Amino acid sequence: NAGVTQTPKFRVLKTGQSMTLLCAQDMNHEYMYWYRQDPGMGLRLIHYSVGEGTTAKGEVPDGYNVSRLKKQNFLLGLESAAPSQTSVYFCASSGRGTGELFFGEGSRLTVL
Amino acid sequence: EDQVTQSPEALRLQEGESSSLNCSYTVSGLRGLFWYRQDPGKGPEFLFTLYSAGEEKEKERLKATLTKKESFLHITAPKPEDSATYLCAPRDAGGFKTIFGAGTRLFVKA
Repeated sequence: NAGVTQTPKFRVLKTGQSMTLLCAQDMNHEYMYWYRQDPGMGLRLIHYSVGEGTTAKGEVPDGYNVSRLKKQNFLLGLESAAPSQTSVYFCASSGRGTGELFFGEGSRLTVL
Repeated sequence: EDQVTQSPEALRLQEGESSSLNCSYTVSGLRGLFWYRQDPGKGPEFLFTLYSAGEEKEKERLKATLTKKESFLHITAPKPEDSATYLCAPRDAGGFKTIFGAGTRLFVKA
């Protein structure tokens, strides 16, 4: 039982490049989330999904897109990376109504 | 606007020296306040959920309490393995968004 798995764990991009972060969960959770964590600012919600085929904006959605084509997967895309998107990205999932979040190990992204 | 403030930013304790971490929040229609522990290079790990003022939860050396505006995480006789960042996270009225504080970094020295 792997829980929440994020790939890749590390990535270095040049400004303007694109990439996709993949999150997979094996707990049959309805809700999935993408957060970014920056020093001194805590975790900030980028986008979230309450079910397959649905997505919604969080606190800091600009510059990111997401898709939830399958219940177990939640993809985060950067179409044109900027240095301000240098951060650690965390995916999380939760069951319907429980609120308890299960997190992945994080993906460290550096944009040069 | 929903806000969460944790204090202190960092706390250094000797092993066995009890203390408390504070979380002040302003969230419309609170639907649960969560505490998480985060170790360096790892994702946050769930500790407690509190739903109503006056509620308390305990786990080993940790006890979380909740009032209408604050939550406290009390650490009794801490050990070095309790060193971590502790995150406070209230959930909003919609039930989908959990808002995180910046955390308190706890260092426990043997």
